Amino acid sequence: AQSVTQPDIHITVSEGASLELRCNYSYGATPYLFWYVQSPGQGLQLLLKYFSGDTLVQGIKGFEAEFKRSQSSFNLRKPSVHWSDAAEYFCAVGAPDDTGKLIFGQGTTLQVKP
Amino acid sequence: DGGITQSPKYLFRKEGQNVTLSCEQNLNHDAMYWYRQDPGQGLRLIYYSQIVNDFQKGDIAEGYSVSREKKESFPLTVTSAQKNPTAFYLCASSIAGTVGNSPLHFGNGTRLTVT
Repeated sequence: AQSVTQPDIHITVSEGASLELRCNYSYGATPYLFWYVQSPGQGLQLLLKYFSGDTLVQGIKGFEAEFKRSQSSFNLRKPSVHWSDAAEYFCAVGAPDDTGKLIFGQGTTLQVKP
Repeated sequence: DGGITQSPKYLFRKEGQNVTLSCEQNLNHDAMYWYRQDPGQGLRLIYYSQIVNDFQKGDIAEGYSVSREKKESFPLTVTSAQKNPTAFYLCASSIAGTVGNSPLHFGNGTRLTVT
């Protein structure tokens, strides 16, 4: 069965520092991979997605993610974090079937120190 | 602008009462989804619908019911059979087909508190 693991529940970084949020997935074939961000009390906003091709994908708000098949990982990165990046981040995997369903990780809460 | 509207934002109910959460979209999407969010557990799929008058159970459908009488609307009823109904509920939609065609678009959620 498909699954997604985000090993870090909480991460705290200083403003201006670099960020990497980890995501590992379990799936038999190459899945569709996503990162979403959620501000408190709000819905989820898509940051970026990977379907195929170049394994380094660029997203909104200066985020990027790298798909590594050998490690079953899809880690999210940002070179310099801004205070407004404080939020909860979700990694998700979708099967290439006709349901459109996504399986989400548990989420990582990012705190940004001034 | 197109989007997904969930109402109300906050909902309070007494234990033993059924409650219906509204979800409306004007994105002309065929597929709609209900997820439940609890702290530390991510999002879990309750029900989904790919076309009008058809829907399927997700991973945690027990104690919930849905209907899909119109393309734009996918209301979720939390019944008294749901043992732990207090949660944040998120509605989403996408173009029918695989996630490769259209990622999920989310509403802003309804926080349900049952006491």
